Amino acid sequence: KQEVTQIPAALSVPEGENLVLNCSFTDSAIYNLQWFRQDPGKGLTSLLLIQSSQREQTSGRLNASLDKSSGRSTLYIAASQPGDSATYLCAASGTYKYIFGTGTRLKVLA
Amino acid sequence: GAVVSQHPSWVICKSGTSVKIECRSLDFQATTMFWYRQFPKQSLMLMATSNEGSKATYEQGVEKDKFLINHASLTLSTLTVTSAHPEDSSFYICSARDWGLAQPNTGELFFGEGSRLTVL
Repeated sequence: KQEVTQIPAALSVPEGENLVLNCSFTDSAIYNLQWFRQDPGKGLTSLLLIQSSQREQTSGRLNASLDKSSGRSTLYIAASQPGDSATYLCAASGTYKYIFGTGTRLKVLA
Repeated sequence: GAVVSQHPSWVICKSGTSVKIECRSLDFQATTMFWYRQFPKQSLMLMATSNEGSKATYEQGVEKDKFLINHASLTLSTLTVTSAHPEDSSFYICSARDWGLAQPNTGELFFGEGSRLTVL
């Protein structure tokens, strides 16, 4: 049974810092690893998707890496801004359904 | 990216009434949609998988008679909370995977905006 955990659970940083959010999964037989952002009271917005054959994906200030052998993915946020404040969730999927991590609540202070 | 629309975004109802939430994939066909429930400051809990043209698959511990799911077309799934009670108050979110014809065929997951249900 796939289990996904995220560390840290919460993070508060000053504006401009570079951040690393961690995601671990127990079953390396994944199809995709996807990172999402959730603002309070809202649905989830897809940030980056890494297919099992890929090692990383980049979008703007975001970079996500995937190491299937160690069961880890990281989300790197460069030059953080107050607008990045949100909860970040990672999810690992087979071809059927996604299993979500517990999330990292990020607060970037101006 | 693909768009999933969910309606209503919030609803308040009296105890004992039923509430229907709609989830639509606007620009892709979704043979499978997923319904999640989220409690405050917690992650998403998968409730059930909605399968177009067949019965939904419920996760362990989820009452199928309480949470009725219908997936009548490739773009619409509905969740009906029957005889709602205050403990059913929660944030419900639907999602769908885009297994579109365009390559790469990633099966990326897209979410609706969520529906906040408050049962008085």
